[in-house]
Amino acid sequence: AQRVTQPEKLLSVFKGAPVELKCNYSYSGSPELFWYVQYSRQRLQLLLRHISRESIKGFTADLNKGETSFHLKKPFAQEEDSAMYYCALSTQGGSEKLVFGKGTKLTVNP
Amino acid sequence: KAGVTQTPRYLIKTRGQQVTLSCSPISGHRSVSWYQQTPGQGLQFLFEYFSETQRNKGNFPGRFSGRQFSNSRSEMNVSTLELGDSALYLCASRPSTGGLWGYTFGSGTRLTVV
Repeated sequence: AQRVTQPEKLLSVFKGAPVELKCNYSYSGSPELFWYVQYSRQRLQLLLRHISRESIKGFTADLNKGETSFHLKKPFAQEEDSAMYYCALSTQGGSEKLVFGKGTKLTVNP
Repeated sequence: KAGVTQTPRYLIKTRGQQVTLSCSPISGHRSVSWYQQTPGQGLQFLFEYFSETQRNKGNFPGRFSGRQFSNSRSEMNVSTLELGDSALYLCASRPSTGGLWGYTFGSGTRLTVV
């Protein structure tokens, strides 16, 4: 069965500090991984897709198949990064669905 | 272009009633999925539709059903409502199937069952 684990429910850092939000997955196939972000009172938004290897708002994430991880990192956190972050795995095979982790609430303190 | 639109935004229903939620995907998006979000269970997949066909269904009872129309708009229906059905129901769309595409989510319909 597919599973996404985000071990930290809450993460608090100071502005300017590095931040890493952890995500581990369990999936027997070839995964497609995403990070979604939900700012206060806003809709869930796609932040990153592993397939595109992009950097959005200073965030990056690298898929490590050996460790089955897809951690989200930013070298210098900003107050506006405070939000709920969800890691998600997309299954394949023609009838895809997203399997979400329970989320990590990031608070960046001034 | 307009995002994913869900109506209504809020809904209060009584146990035993049934409810229909609506989702209009982004123009050109043919794949529509539904998710239930609760504080305890997080985001859980309900079902996905593509070209009017249900392609996948999550682990929800048969009281939860949906459909997609030829214009890609989708509805989900919950019959015989239970208190535990209280949740934020999210609709998401993407251009096509295939893991290359990220989903775009709507703001959701918050359903309260009393």
